[in-house]
This record gives sequence, C-alpha cells and structure tokens, in this order.
Amino acid sequence: RKEVEQDPGPFNVPEGATVAFNCTYSNSASQSFFWYRQDCRKEPKLLMSVYSSGNEDGRFTAQLNRASQYISLLIRDSKLSDSATYLCVVSRASNYQLIWGAGTKLIIKP
Amino acid sequence: DAGITQSPRHKVTETGTPVTLRCHQTENHRYMYWYRQDPGHGLRLIHYSYGVKDTDKGEVSDGYSVSRSKTEDFLLTLESATSSQTSVYFCAISESGTVETQYFGPGTRLLVL
Repeated sequence: RKEVEQDPGPFNVPEGATVAFNCTYSNSASQSFFWYRQDCRKEPKLLMSVYSSGNEDGRFTAQLNRASQYISLLIRDSKLSDSATYLCVVSRASNYQLIWGAGTKLIIKP
Repeated sequence: DAGITQSPRHKVTETGTPVTLRCHQTENHRYMYWYRQDPGHGLRLIHYSYGVKDTDKGEVSDGYSVSRSKTEDFLLTLESATSSQTSVYFCAISESGTVETQYFGPGTRLLVL
C-alpha cells in the first residue's frame, strides 16, 4: 500500500461547477499536509497547507480528517485555469521528509 | 518565483554513460533536494542537502550520487545511466528542513536509450 494515495482521475468538470478530491495517508503520526498544483510539463507549486481546523483560500477549501486519515480539497466555481494535476503531500513523522501522492488530474471544460 | 534553474532541461543519453544534472539557486536557501517523477508515482526523493558538503540519501538513491560545493549549486550524477533512470528530475529548495514550502526548479527530462 502506498503511503499517500489519490484517485488519478481525470475528473472532467464543467466550468463553474464544484469539485472535490480526497487523499488518504497511511501513517497516523504524520503532522503536516499540503496540496500542490502541477500544470502540464511544469514544476509543482504550493497551492495551500492543510490545517487541523480546515482552511480556506478564496475558492479553495482544504480539510483534514485525522480519524480517517484523509485530506480533501474542494474547489468552488471552477475556472478553466484550474485545469491541472493536484498533488497531495504528507510529511513523514520520523524525519519531516515529504511523501507525495501521484496526483489527481482535473480538466475543466467550457 | 523562486530563483531556481536546472540544466540541461532535456537530455538524451545512452545506457552506461555518466550524466550530471545541475541545480542552481539564487535564494541562499540551506536545503536542496533532488526528486524524480514518473507516471503513476508521486515525486520520490533521491538525495538532499542540508548545507555545503552535507548530503543524505532519500528513498531512491541507488545509482545516484550528489555533491554540493557551494550553497547555490547542487549536482546530481548518474554514474552509469540505465533505462530505468529515464524520468523527469526536479530540484527543490527550502529555507529549513522542517515541513515548510519547497520551491521547485523547472525540471530536467532525461531519456536513457
């Protein structure tokens, strides 16, 4: 079992819709969680950190469920420019190294 | 955007040849990382550095070596390239080794024939 698992998608979503992704992690001792965004053939860039109480940044909301060991990302009013691969990232408790999910591909259609 | 460059951006080489990839940063960050990215896998850490001449192995370090003689430069060497090392290689930097944001270079696409 991979340490961090994501549905690879693709998620095909019409513009303006709301879309949600989940990511599960296996190590209950993990302390830090992130969502990164990666455009096609580009480098990953931090989208947002995920805090225990949940956090929001504009149209994006991230939630953490420690009991079930998953994090989620909700995108409201999706834009064409949201088309990308979204990477779930979890820190390994023992050495702070980041463990990366393989990503969920999102395609927003006009 | 963070000042990180990678060279070369693309390379085709033959099995058994040595290859060196370079990462250069202008941010004066202490930590530097080399990852590889392959379809169906998340980014996997190859090696990282926590200072000049201070390096350590990541989860997929076999067949790779690194060197850091200056704060701004981190070199990744494939001693004898194999087809399994065909991948996209990303360099990243961070100010400290705790779980803060990592900033990535544009990547190097390596094809080993």
